[in-house]
Amino acid sequence: DIVLTQSPGTLSLSPGERATLSCRASQSVSGGYLAWYQHKPGQAPRLLIYGASNRATGIPDSFSGSGSGTNFTLTISRLEPEHLAVYYCQQYGSSPHTFGQGTKLEIK
Amino acid sequence: QVQLVQSGAEVKKTGASVKVSCKTSGHTFSPYSITWVRQAPGQGLEWMGWINAFNGKTNYAQKFQGRVTMTTDTSSDTPATTAYMELKSLRSDDTAVFYCARGVGAMSSWGQGTLVTVSS
Repeated sequence: DIVLTQSPGTLSLSPGERATLSCRASQSVSGGYLAWYQHKPGQAPRLLIYGASNRATGIPDSFSGSGSGTNFTLTISRLEPEHLAVYYCQQYGSSPHTFGQGTKLEIK
Repeated sequence: QVQLVQSGAEVKKTGASVKVSCKTSGHTFSPYSITWVRQAPGQGLEWMGWINAFNGKTNYAQKFQGRVTMTTDTSSDTPATTAYMELKSLRSDDTAVFYCARGVGAMSSWGQGTLVTVSS
């Protein structure tokens, strides 16, 4: 199984700052099939990025994804209070389609 | 617009089974697949597996093999609209919110979640 390790576990930043979230895979993610989700309490997860760098429908360009192989990054360019959430990466290149443990984003 | 609506919260005893439904509207999900994901209290998202609504093929996480069954209501003459996830031999650590989502990987449409509480 591919293990995804996200860092940091918690990220605390101020509005307007840039957030950089990391997702490292224990082995190469086939086809670059890496997604990022935003998950707020009491809500369903929301797809942000698919294929490592493609924004999902309706996702603002303040969200961007990059990376390949075993190292992937989600960047939020200008933080807003509404970005408070837990962010998960998921690889879907090989079964099981594992999730990372999540990065909690706090807004100061 | 695609919508996935799940069945309501359940309370079960240890050893029992639970069956959660996921009804789609706004499209017919065949030949799409439905993925099931769960989140235990205070924990992250956990992939359980998926079912291909077109051919009924399933792919379960090893952790749930033998305890989980994913099905759909596909019939020969109507498109499938509802998916089901049954989990048997429930344990207290199966207490979680269970989500269905459309697709296999990079799921853009999700159900609202179903809380399953397991207690003795």
